[in-house]
Amino acid sequence: EPEVTQTPSHQVTQMGQEVILRCVPISNHLYFYWYRQILGQKVEFLVSFYNNEISEKSEIFDDQFSVERPDGSNFTLKIRSTKLEDSAMYFCASGTGYTGELFFGEGSRLTVL
Amino acid sequence: AQKITQTQPGMFVQEKEAVTLDCTYDTSDQSYGLFWYKQPSSGEMIFLIYQGSYDEQNATEGRYSLNFQKARKSANLVISASQLGDSAMYFCAIRTHNFNKFYFGSGTKLNVKP
Repeated sequence: EPEVTQTPSHQVTQMGQEVILRCVPISNHLYFYWYRQILGQKVEFLVSFYNNEISEKSEIFDDQFSVERPDGSNFTLKIRSTKLEDSAMYFCASGTGYTGELFFGEGSRLTVL
Repeated sequence: AQKITQTQPGMFVQEKEAVTLDCTYDTSDQSYGLFWYKQPSSGEMIFLIYQGSYDEQNATEGRYSLNFQKARKSANLVISASQLGDSAMYFCAIRTHNFNKFYFGSGTKLNVKP
């Protein structure tokens, strides 16, 4: 069964460093999303991406964040200068736009020290 | 704007019993989708069930069914014959009409007792 894959599964970084989280969505999906979940809290929307551009972003998604689809298969989230409060599980998700079902990757746990 | 409310932070159920997890929503969209996801302690988000706003019948997927009451704006998840492996966090979510965004509730932690 096709699945969304994310790398790395866990990354530890120093405050102020840049981090790139990678995702390979399901191949025929058109909509891509990044969500984050601070430990024990709700799943928060960061950004959605469709037709090679951002379709919507939340207030959390400020200038330190960016997304790219560099090669037609990968979908990356870059955090330019990490802060302690960026420590969270980051989920990539993709969907077809037909049923609206959202398929999640297993998440990338980011720990900022 | 969209909003999802899950009022039960935690619930217990006896193994083999049925349990209902509550979810209410608020949306100005005419077309939307409602979802339930399961998040076990390992952290992954597992899709359980989907209900479209125009679907007249309640969705069912195995032991999961979604009790959709559109006029009351509720989308409760019913798990029949609970199993120990059902112990997890459960999130209700709503999708906007243009697929740009999914909003998640705060979750309900279900514990199944043997």
